[in-house]
This record gives sequence, structure tokens and C-alpha cells, in this order.
Amino acid sequence: DAGVIQSPRHEVTEMGQEVTLRCKPISGHNSLFWYRQTMMRGLELLIYFNNNVPIDDSGMPEDRFSAKMPNASFSTLKIQPSEPRDSAVYFCASSLRQGANSPLHFGNGTRLTVT
Amino acid sequence: AQSVAQPEDQVNVAEGNPLTVKCTYSVSGNPYLFWYVQYPNRGLQFLLKYITGDNLVKGSYGFEAEFNKSQTSFHLKKPSALVSDSALYFCAVRDGSSASKIIFGSGTRLSIRP
Repeated sequence: DAGVIQSPRHEVTEMGQEVTLRCKPISGHNSLFWYRQTMMRGLELLIYFNNNVPIDDSGMPEDRFSAKMPNASFSTLKIQPSEPRDSAVYFCASSLRQGANSPLHFGNGTRLTVT
Repeated sequence: AQSVAQPEDQVNVAEGNPLTVKCTYSVSGNPYLFWYVQYPNRGLQFLLKYITGDNLVKGSYGFEAEFNKSQTSFHLKKPSALVSDSALYFCAVRDGSSASKIIFGSGTRLSIRP
């Protein structure tokens, strides 16, 4: 089991550029979560999917943020245009099923720096 | 609405001493409670969970947690701390009676001195 795989590990971009973060969940997991971690705000849930369908995107900060899950093995989080305040570590996590007590399995995150 | 609080930003313990990391929660239904650990430049790792049953839950790396319904607490404990336990610890809660999302606390940095 390779765990949750995120890419890239680090991303440095200039303000105004588009950023795409990628996630491959654990095979067989049907719930996927995107979190953002900052010193100031801690760990924030941005959006989560069940069976590739977005269930709750109330944590997405602005329309500049969008997430997709075209199939069970891939998800993207896009920021367009990016701003310096988007700098954070973005985590993807998956679980066996959202409606039960299954723990989350996190990837190692993407550290985004927007200059 | 559900919430979770970790009242201590940092806990300092000498190696070999017992440690406690505190967590309190608020949910409208039955709580599902979790502890996660985060090492530098890594994602969160699951340590243990409480769903139902015995109030004392045992998890990875010798950690355990005690569920206290009357105090709405779920404190993380270890009888003898190791320097390698130094990390960031997160408590999380989900309302088990509904399809609610998992909410994380603000985290507690545990520092174990040799």
C-alpha cells in the first residue's frame, strides 16, 4: 500500500499564476478530503468527496479555488489566480467511507509558496 | 455544531515521565473521537480512535486515550515518554449520529526533553 500520494511536494509560484495540486487516494477508499494547514488558522477542511461526488465545499475560501475528482483514483485542487495569502501546506486525505468511523489517511502534503 | 478544543499549545515533558495531551469536544450526538500525530514535513498519522465500548482506548506507539463523557474529554496519555514522541498532536471529532465531517483541534506541540 503506497498510501495517499500528493504532487508536487513543493510549489513556488508568482501571484496571479494558476496552481494545480494533485492527489491519488489509497485504492479502495471512496472518501477524499482536501485540507489546508497554516500557522495562523491550523488545519482547515476545504472540501470532501464521497464516491467522486463533492459533498461539502463550504470550506473553499473563494471562487478562485476549485476541486475535481474525475475518477476514484485522482483528484485535483486548483487555485486560479493564486495570491500570497494562499501560501500554506495543502493535504489530501482518504478514508474507506465517510459515513463510518474509518480514520483518515493523509498524504505528505504540498507546500505552496506564492510570491 | 461540533467542535474540539486543545487548550495547550505546547506540552513539555522529561523523557521517562508520563505525558497527557488534553482534548475536549462538543457534538450533538454520539462522538467519534480520534488522535493523530504529525511529524515535521509529513502528513497526519492516525494514532487511535474511540467509537464505543471501553472508555480507555489503546493505540499506536504505546499511546492511549481516555474517553470521559461527563467531562466531554478525550485526553491522550502515555505512561513513559520518549524523545521520539516529540511532534504535533491533533484531536479530532465527528458526530457519529449524522454524516458530518471530521473537525480537528488546533494541535498541541509535544516536546520531550532527554
